[in-house]
Amino acid sequence: QVQLQESGPGLVKPSQTLSLTCTVSGGSISSGSYYWSWIRQPAGKGLEWIGRIYTSGSTNYNPSLKSRVTISVDTSKNQFSLKLSSVTAADTAVYYCAREDYDYVWGSYYFDYWGQGTLVTVSS
Amino acid sequence: SSELTQDPAVSVALGQTVRITCQGDSLRSYYASWYQQKPGQAPVLVIYGKNNRPSGIPDRFSGSSSGNTASLTITGAQAEDEADYYCNSRDSSGNHRYVFGTGTKVTVL
Repeated sequence: QVQLQESGPGLVKPSQTLSLTCTVSGGSISSGSYYWSWIRQPAGKGLEWIGRIYTSGSTNYNPSLKSRVTISVDTSKNQFSLKLSSVTAADTAVYYCAREDYDYVWGSYYFDYWGQGTLVTVSS
Repeated sequence: SSELTQDPAVSVALGQTVRITCQGDSLRSYYASWYQQKPGQAPVLVIYGKNNRPSGIPDRFSGSSSGNTASLTITGAQAEDEADYYCNSRDSSGNHRYVFGTGTKVTVL
């Protein structure tokens, strides 16, 4: 059973860089044709996809955040990471990491495993 | 447009059927996936593809799609189905990104 766990500081100062790591257990991050995503949710609001990475290092980012986001992968540690620069209070949210799978029969993308989420607050 | 629109809230009597809809241009090109989220918990995948349920998801959950609208139906709603539900699909505008719906709060009466 694949499990994902987010880790990182729960408090970040405005204008600084938010850094989170997602550790994958129960399987190798390099096995299968999976992408690995970051998704966030401000309190009381909906979900927002941030970006994704393949174990080759190939990435895709949400255009609304692209200028501030970097996602990287460390296959030796079975981890992938998120960096979001120049944060403001609007970046305060629960951040989730998730595994993306693709159904080749129906051409459907979906997120089948999620971490429990970690709250990051941007405040001085 | 890359938006996915859902009704903010719906209610259903215990044991009855409720349909949650998701509208957006991207649904003409890509199937939606559906997620259930209970307070304080991570989202859980309940439907993907044409109408596929992950292991462990009850068969009272089903999905369908027509044109620019995807639907999630709960047939015989149970108290534990009370939650927020989000649809999701790939954006069809050319960028490889994903868009989530605005979310629907389902209340089981």
